[in-house]
Amino acid sequence: NAGVTQTPKFQVLKTGQSMTLQCAQDMNHNSMYWYRQDPGMGLRLIYYSASEGTTDKGEVPNGYNVSRLNKREFSLRLESAAPSQTSVYFCASSAGPGINIQYFGAGTRLSVL
Amino acid sequence: KNQVEQSPQSLIILEGKNCTLQCNYTVSPFSNLRWYKQDTGRGPVSLTIMTFSENTKSNGRYTATLDADTKQSSLHITASQLSDSASYICVVGGFTGGGNKLTFGTGTQLKVEL
Repeated sequence: NAGVTQTPKFQVLKTGQSMTLQCAQDMNHNSMYWYRQDPGMGLRLIYYSASEGTTDKGEVPNGYNVSRLNKREFSLRLESAAPSQTSVYFCASSAGPGINIQYFGAGTRLSVL
Repeated sequence: KNQVEQSPQSLIILEGKNCTLQCNYTVSPFSNLRWYKQDTGRGPVSLTIMTFSENTKSNGRYTATLDADTKQSSLHITASQLSDSASYICVVGGFTGGGNKLTFGTGTQLKVEL
């Protein structure tokens, strides 16, 4: 029962470097999401994909891009990492964009120096 | 501005005891309210989802209540276990033109001790 799988689990970047966070789900879900979690703050939505072929901005999209590669995979790209992007990133999926349970991955812990 | 406030920030209880966590929200128009459990170093796991018409929902030893009139919810944990040590996050969904927007609280950190 893999559920939502995120890679890598940990990453350290230097300011200005780029990287892609990978996310895959095996529950045949239509909707996928990327969140960030910072100390003392609730999870904040970066981008989401309500269905394959669509992506939309969330609350904090600046500095990020996403790709819904297929129904299973949704990647998050940092083109030029900044220290403010140091955070824990979570990918989630749900059957649809409405009142459905969101299933979360284990997270990627990213430090930008 | 949509907000979700949780109290207390942290709580320590003895194993076997009950506890209640609180959530107040200002999200409007209201769609649904969720409680998640997040173990240290892991992703959140859904405990309950309630819509406007539901005022209580249980999942094992976890019981959530919702008062949509006062915009309050509580999560009651019965007969706590060491494995209940985690952060409990209240999440409120609001209707938007494009669907359902979630606002997350900052969580209550619960520690269960022997």
